[in-house]
Amino acid sequence: DSGVTQTPKHLITATGQRVTLRCSPRSGDLSVYWYQQSLDQGLQFLIQYYNGEERAKGNILERFSAQQFPDLHSELNLSSLELGDSALYFCASSLRPGQGGAGNYGYTFGSGTRLTVV
Amino acid sequence: GESVGLHLPTLSVQEGDNSIINCAYSNSASDYFIWYKQESGKGPQFIIDIRSNMDKRQGQRVTVLLNKTVKHLSLQIAATQPGDSAVYFCAENRSGGSYIPTFGRGTSLIVHP
Repeated sequence: DSGVTQTPKHLITATGQRVTLRCSPRSGDLSVYWYQQSLDQGLQFLIQYYNGEERAKGNILERFSAQQFPDLHSELNLSSLELGDSALYFCASSLRPGQGGAGNYGYTFGSGTRLTVV
Repeated sequence: GESVGLHLPTLSVQEGDNSIINCAYSNSASDYFIWYKQESGKGPQFIIDIRSNMDKRQGQRVTVLLNKTVKHLSLQIAATQPGDSAVYFCAENRSGGSYIPTFGRGTSLIVHP
């Protein structure tokens, strides 16, 4: 157990629908990152939050949005879903805005949510 | 644009052999590099990192080599074990500030007993 909790683990939904993915960061971590992993695109950074505020944006579609709540958990909202949105969605956390490596700036990834759009 | 890429999508080795996974990067501003391991059903897990002021860094059974001249890094796994079977990602970043690492697409390492 990495300490980062993602729910649900699996999600199957129809095109056009909206879903919410949830992430609880590792205890003490203030920064949360969302990534999308698909077979043809690898790990793509979507968005980062730090202590409740948006910190950085990557290749996140306008149909997608996220937020980080006062208790530091984060939610990724995906709307008007398309077949191409089927992917693994990972959340990672770090104590400080991270470089991805080790220590306080390092990432701890959750086990992901597998989204299937049919 | 800038990218991080992996040379081989799949690497098959025999148990006990040494494995070498390669990665090319193109962002000359990158000065911090990380290797991750992703096992089936899990998220990526940090293995080892290296800064650009080093050419080599060793961990437990793993070694990362960095060649800044040709913008290439490699991960060497000694005495590969079945438990090493996973997808391995390299990521590049810049130290300082709060840059977000860019991940490569991954190499699948298959270890045959």
